[in-house]
Amino acid sequence: EPEVTQTPSHQVTQMGQEVILRCVPISNHLYFYWYRQILGQKVEFLVSFYNNEISEKSEIFDDQFSVERPDGSNFTLKIRSTKLEDSAMYFCASSEAGQGRYNEQFFGPGTRLTVL
Amino acid sequence: GNSVTQMEGPVTLSEEAFLTINCTYTATGYPSLFWYVQYPGEGLQLLLKATKADDKGSNKGFEATYRKETTSFHLEKGSVQVSDSAVYFCALKGSARQLTFGSGTQLTVLP
Repeated sequence: EPEVTQTPSHQVTQMGQEVILRCVPISNHLYFYWYRQILGQKVEFLVSFYNNEISEKSEIFDDQFSVERPDGSNFTLKIRSTKLEDSAMYFCASSEAGQGRYNEQFFGPGTRLTVL
Repeated sequence: GNSVTQMEGPVTLSEEAFLTINCTYTATGYPSLFWYVQYPGEGLQLLLKATKADDKGSNKGFEATYRKETTSFHLEKGSVQVSDSAVYFCALKGSARQLTFGSGTQLTVLP
C-alpha cells in the first residue's frame, strides 16, 4: 500500500541553524501539506502546496519557513534559523486533487525536531 | 475560526471495556468531521469520517455520529482490544483544505 515517508525520524539542531525536513508524498497525489505538533499541544496546520506554489498557509508559517518540491518525488520544509520554540513533531501529508467534498489526507510518521 | 476540543487523556481501560472519547467543535458553515488514529511509530491514519449532520462514521468497530445540535462527534467502541492502544485525534475540515485537530487522547488498553 502506498504511504507517505519522512526523513529523518529525529533531527537535533542548534538554535539558529537551518534545517530541512524531507517528505516523499504518495506518487499520484497533487496536494501536499505540513503540520506540526508541539509536545502536549494540538496538531497545527502550517502550509499546503499545489501546482508548485503555496495554496494556503497559517500564521505560524512566517518568513523563517519555506517549502519546495525540488524534484518529482520530494517535498521539503526548510526552517532558516531555528528557534527553541520550533521544537515539535512535524507531519507531512498528501492528498489527491479533484472534485468532491473531501480528499483524504495521508500522513507520514513525522519528524521529531529538537532545537537546543 | 474553527476549533476542536477533545477529551483530555490519557485514558486507560481493560480489554473489552466500553470506550467513549468526547469531541466538540466550533466552526462556521458545515464542516466535515474526522477521527484519526496514531499507532506508536506511525503516521496519522484516518479512522472514520462524517460529512454532514446525522451521518455516522464507522470503522473497525469504532463509531461516531455527527451531531450538529450539540456540535459533537464523540468516538465510541463497544469492546476495546489491546491493539486499539494508540493516540486518537478528532479533526474537522471547513471550506479550506487544511484540517483543524484536537489535542489528541492517548488510549491504553490493558489485557
